[in-house]
Amino acid sequence: NAGVTQTPKFQVLKTGQSMTLQCAQDMNHNSMYWYRQDPGMGLRLIYYSASEGTTDKGEVPNGYNVSRLNKREFSLRLESAAPSQTSVYFCASITVGNEQFFGPGTRLTVL
Amino acid sequence: AQSVTQPDIHITVSEGASLELRCNYSYGATPYLFWYVQSPGQGLQLLLKYFSGDTLVQGIKGFEAEFKRSQSSFNLRKPSVHWSDAAEYFCAVGAGKTSYDKVIFGPGTSLSVIP
Repeated sequence: NAGVTQTPKFQVLKTGQSMTLQCAQDMNHNSMYWYRQDPGMGLRLIYYSASEGTTDKGEVPNGYNVSRLNKREFSLRLESAAPSQTSVYFCASITVGNEQFFGPGTRLTVL
Repeated sequence: AQSVTQPDIHITVSEGASLELRCNYSYGATPYLFWYVQSPGQGLQLLLKYFSGDTLVQGIKGFEAEFKRSQSSFNLRKPSVHWSDAAEYFCAVGAGKTSYDKVIFGPGTSLSVIP
């Protein structure tokens, strides 16, 4: 039982490049979330998926797209990366008992 | 819409000393409140949560927090800090038990522990 896993751990992109951040959970949770963490700002919700087949925008969705591939996997895509997207990205899932589990994060730098 | 403030950006305490981290929230209805801890290079881990009932809640690692509606506060406390408690602490407020899409996180308080 690995919990919530994220790949890659680190990534450096050039402005305009695209990439997909992967998230998977093996806890059979329905809801999954993508956050970004910036210094002094806590976590901000980018997108979430309440259940397989559904996705919704969070607080800061611009510049991102998501896919809920199946119950286990929820990916975040940057189509054309910008320096403002330099951040640490966290994926999380929610238990039936409403506890939120976070992955270890992906540290992304956009040059 | 709800909001969260954590007045202390950084706190330093000696090992064995008591700790209180402040959290103030703004929300018009009954808030759902959380404290998370983030160790360097790690994701967030839930320390404790308040949904209803007893306003003093116990969490993991010896932490507790008290909900004070009159002061709009949910301060985190620990009677004796250990060096391993050095981390970033986040308070969060939500709009409902299942509404994690509505959870707002505070900016965090960084805790350093002096041996």
